[in-house]
Amino acid sequence: DTEVTQTPKHLVMGMTNKKSLKCEQHMGHRAMYWYKQKAKKPPELMFVYSYEKLSINESVPSRFSPECPNSSLLNLHLHALQPEDSALYLCASSTNNRGEQYFGPGTRLTVT
Amino acid sequence: AQSVTQLDSHVSVSEGTPVLLRCNYSSSYSPSLFWYVQHPNKGLQLLLKYTSAATLVKGINGFEAEFKKSETSFHLTKPSAHMSDAAEYFCVVTYNNNDMRFGAGTRLTVKP
Repeated sequence: DTEVTQTPKHLVMGMTNKKSLKCEQHMGHRAMYWYKQKAKKPPELMFVYSYEKLSINESVPSRFSPECPNSSLLNLHLHALQPEDSALYLCASSTNNRGEQYFGPGTRLTVT
Repeated sequence: AQSVTQLDSHVSVSEGTPVLLRCNYSSSYSPSLFWYVQHPNKGLQLLLKYTSAATLVKGINGFEAEFKKSETSFHLTKPSAHMSDAAEYFCVVTYNNNDMRFGAGTRLTVKP
């Protein structure tokens, strides 16, 4: 199984809502990542988990809160988002810190 | 500082003609280099990777890339473009700290 799955595919939320994005992989990878991608731009790294510990936080606002409950799951909790947070949110995983990353299909988030 | 530059924001070719997407990197270390493809509203798919083995790397869908250390380049080529190759292509460099640096992307258009 070389697949990274993400749910939901699409999410529309208001600025006062709380929602969560979910990512799952069963490849035994020990590094997992969240990226944000705006239209016509490359992905921007948000968070990196290595062996279920947060190893990189790229100065992301606290309204984004990552969680890694176990080695297969990665969540991104969202609260009090702004319209400019509307984007495609991509999850990825890799075996180690120099290996290729496998990406999920993304969650298209719209904040109204 | 490590960086990656994709020299063309948009490349247009006719179906059946060769494809060349250019990528240069700057680094004082030996990087790992990747090419990813992203079709509209989809996640990123790995095309190929260079990790200090053979300098000519073959990937999926007929793509290949050559690592040239003297030119700090990792250009992506394909002998004959297909309509399904129309997509966004990202050149990516990574080092020892889970930090993947993405190029700005090249949009490939394939004309019938």
